[in-house]
Amino acid sequence: AQKVTQAQTEISVVEKEDVTLDCVYETRDTTYYLFWYKQPPSGELVFLIRRNSFDEQNEISGRYSWNFQKSTSSFNFTITASQVVDSAVYFCALIVDMRFGAGTRLTVKP
Amino acid sequence: DTGVSQDPRHKITKRGQNVTFRCDPISEHNRLYWYRQTLGQGPEFLTYFQNEAQLEKSRLLSDRFSAERPKGSFSTLEIQRTEQGDSAMYLCASRVGAGGLKTQYFGPGTRLLVL
Repeated sequence: AQKVTQAQTEISVVEKEDVTLDCVYETRDTTYYLFWYKQPPSGELVFLIRRNSFDEQNEISGRYSWNFQKSTSSFNFTITASQVVDSAVYFCALIVDMRFGAGTRLTVKP
Repeated sequence: DTGVSQDPRHKITKRGQNVTFRCDPISEHNRLYWYRQTLGQGPEFLTYFQNEAQLEKSRLLSDRFSAERPKGSFSTLEIQRTEQGDSAMYLCASRVGAGGLKTQYFGPGTRLLVL
């Protein structure tokens, strides 16, 4: 069975704080992909990153960084120096048939 | 804009009515997915097509739901005899390629409210 768990339902930070969104997944497959999507209030899902199961190299893109650890089945997402525009619901997802976590609502206050 | 588009963006209907939603994928994408998202939840997979073939359907897709992609381009999702529990955001996504695992791109969604 495949499962994605985002234990943090809601997080609230003050602008410029760093924040980490946790994602833990379960799968018996040895080949899989992990994704993070952002869903702003407009509702559209915006692709942020894809990572395959064979590539544990962490990635940084601007203020965003991702820490993939197969040993703990985690794919955590950190936003550095958060901004109000980062306020959204963030979904972690596991391929093959896109099992989504329940999402984490991030609110960044000015 | 060459992204995934969905029509309508919003639909309000009375219980028992039929509704149909349309999704236009990115033109070169041969895979098309439908998801349903209820308030506070992540998207749930409903079904997907590879070209015009419907390859998988979720248990969530009751017999009141039907999806088509007759020419392998746009797709329609019809809900017959709508129920209040059908109220949700219906998301469409598309991606390129039959093999491998590639990024899905999502449309803006159709928000359905059943009164």
